Amino acid sequence: AQKITQTQPGMFVQEKEAVTLDCTYDTSDQSYGLFWYKQPSSGEMIFLIYQGSYDEQNATEGRYSLNFQKARKSANLVISASQLGDSAMYFCAMREGQGYSTLTFGKGTMLLVSP
Amino acid sequence: DVKVTQSSRYLVKRTGEKVFLECVQDMDHENMFWYRQDPGLGLRLIYFSYDVKMKEKGDIPEGYSVSREKKERFSLILESASTNQTSMYLCASSLPIRDHTNNEQFFGPGTRLTVL
Repeated sequence: AQKITQTQPGMFVQEKEAVTLDCTYDTSDQSYGLFWYKQPSSGEMIFLIYQGSYDEQNATEGRYSLNFQKARKSANLVISASQLGDSAMYFCAMREGQGYSTLTFGKGTMLLVSP
Repeated sequence: DVKVTQSSRYLVKRTGEKVFLECVQDMDHENMFWYRQDPGLGLRLIYFSYDVKMKEKGDIPEGYSVSREKKERFSLILESASTNQTSMYLCASSLPIRDHTNNEQFFGPGTRLTVL
């Protein structure tokens, strides 16, 4: 079974609208972390937001928020007020347990923001 | 500004050649990672290292080896390049896990390798 599932290969949104990118995960660990990264066409991976499994509040970073539903094992990324520069590939990733901090990545969602 | 650099953005090699991909970080991070990225498959971990001279296999180590002689440098080696190793290769580094902390991975710009 996949550890990280991103079911949306592509998403389209108009500028200034909000968009939710889905991510579900599978782990039996009690301690884990969830990450979202953005990859523009230039190729670099940009860290956006982190949610720890013990964090009671949903993480927020500017226009990014993480809708963490632990019982459902979902960690959706919400981008408010989309901008043209948000067009990119978005990856959800999970770090399990207290090991070497390796990440397991989902297959990604391509977001296109139109004017 | 924190930085992870990779020796080449683009590389073209022939089948059977030995290929070295170099990665350097200036953040004094203990952990370093090599991933390959292919369309529709996301990022897959090849090897990682948690200390100098230490290495661990990731999910797809076959056909690759690594070297970490200095803390800041982590090299990926393709002993005999094959066409199915044509891919984007990404290097990353991070601090070790501390309780309930982020310890995000910082990525380099990637090397797009083509094996002919």
